[in-house]
Amino acid sequence: GAGVSQTPSNKVTEKGKYVELRCDPISGHTALYWYRQSLGQGPEFLIYFQGTGAADDSGLPNDRFFAVRPEGSVSTLKIQRTERGDSAVYLCASSLNDGTSTDTQYFGPGTRLTVL
Amino acid sequence: AQSVTQLDSHVSVSEGTPVLLRCNYSSSYSPSLFWYVQHPNKGLQLLLKYTSAATLVKGINGFEAEFKKSETSFHLTKPSAHMSDAAEYFCVVVYTGGFKTIFGAGTRLFVKA
Repeated sequence: GAGVSQTPSNKVTEKGKYVELRCDPISGHTALYWYRQSLGQGPEFLIYFQGTGAADDSGLPNDRFFAVRPEGSVSTLKIQRTERGDSAVYLCASSLNDGTSTDTQYFGPGTRLTVL
Repeated sequence: AQSVTQLDSHVSVSEGTPVLLRCNYSSSYSPSLFWYVQHPNKGLQLLLKYTSAATLVKGINGFEAEFKKSETSFHLTKPSAHMSDAAEYFCVVVYTGGFKTIFGAGTRLFVKA
């Protein structure tokens, strides 16, 4: 079956602009995660959705970052007033969420965001 | 604070020799532990996960990891490296009762012919 997909694969924007990054999880997966991976580092947790609600958004760095998942499937990560430091690969993952912390996450290929 | 430490940023081995990638986690709560691999220009793929059923976990492509609670470690091993194993490896922790996923900084594995 289809895996997690993310669009666009690459996004170049100018400092101060607004961007939206989209994630399509695996069908039937109720849990969805966003991560940010800077060059040479491991992915950094941003936010976790269980269904439509953000169950844990403790990783969002500041109020310029916001994510939604209105129908419990597709999610959009929104970044306002982008800064050069926001440049990174943004990863999305989904899991079946069987109610345990051993749930396997399936990752998308990522969106590479470059802020000029 | 919850954390995971990968003790080596780079590991270089010769093809056919054993691989050891080291990982330690903080012991605040009982964790769930994973190893993921990231090949260049490819997505993260699960290698194996610790589910508390057994301390020695077998994964894909001949990799294994042993959970040692007394040492708070979850080191990844493989008896014989293959050229295709060259990649970035991440140790990952999820603490019981939560879903915040913590990645280590990664270990890049180089395999020499």
